[in-house]
Amino acid sequence: DTGVSQDPRHKITKRGQNVTFRCDPISEHNRLYWYRQTLGQGPEFLTYFQNEAQLEKSRLLSDRFSAERPKGSFSTLEIQRTEQGDSAMYLCAIPTGGFQETQYFGPGTRLLVL
Amino acid sequence: QQQVKQSPQSLIVQKGGISIINCAYENTAFDYFPWYQQFPGKGPALLIAIRPDVSEKKEGRFTISFNKSAKQFSLHIMDSQPGDSATYFCAASDAGTASKLTFGTGTRLQVTL
Repeated sequence: DTGVSQDPRHKITKRGQNVTFRCDPISEHNRLYWYRQTLGQGPEFLTYFQNEAQLEKSRLLSDRFSAERPKGSFSTLEIQRTEQGDSAMYLCAIPTGGFQETQYFGPGTRLLVL
Repeated sequence: QQQVKQSPQSLIVQKGGISIINCAYENTAFDYFPWYQQFPGKGPALLIAIRPDVSEKKEGRFTISFNKSAKQFSLHIMDSQPGDSATYFCAASDAGTASKLTFGTGTRLQVTL
């Protein structure tokens, strides 16, 4: 148990639909990261939050993607007008143990866009 | 631009043998180098990590060797077990860029009986 839950664990949707994923750290953390992992590749950074503020977004995060962390605890990642290329595992990570660089990942949400 | 290069892509090792996975990085600002283990359908799990002020770190059967001048680091798994069969990712981060992780492409390890 890494202290991070993600919901849903799996999502199948049709192209053009909107989807929303949620990340819930068990305890409070000032930082929260989102990564995307496509099949056979390592995770790639998407965005991160410092408390409620979204401080950086990767170029991978097109205008169809939006992320929020309204109360500095849980976070949501929404994809609008999904495309087949959005099919991937979406991972949430939090730093733990007092070191910002040590990130622990949740189980991920696997998205399949048909 | 791939900033962390990992090899080999796949590795088959007999039970009890030593598994060695190598990574090379380009960005000299990187100051933290973790290794993650990932099983199918699961999120990556932190295995062991090192900072560039030490050349080696050992935790149980897992050892990281770090060569700052060559900008290379490696993971050694001693006495490899079938339960170690998984995909391993090296990664690197820089505290100056919010410690976001840059991952290698992964090594699929299979430990045979």
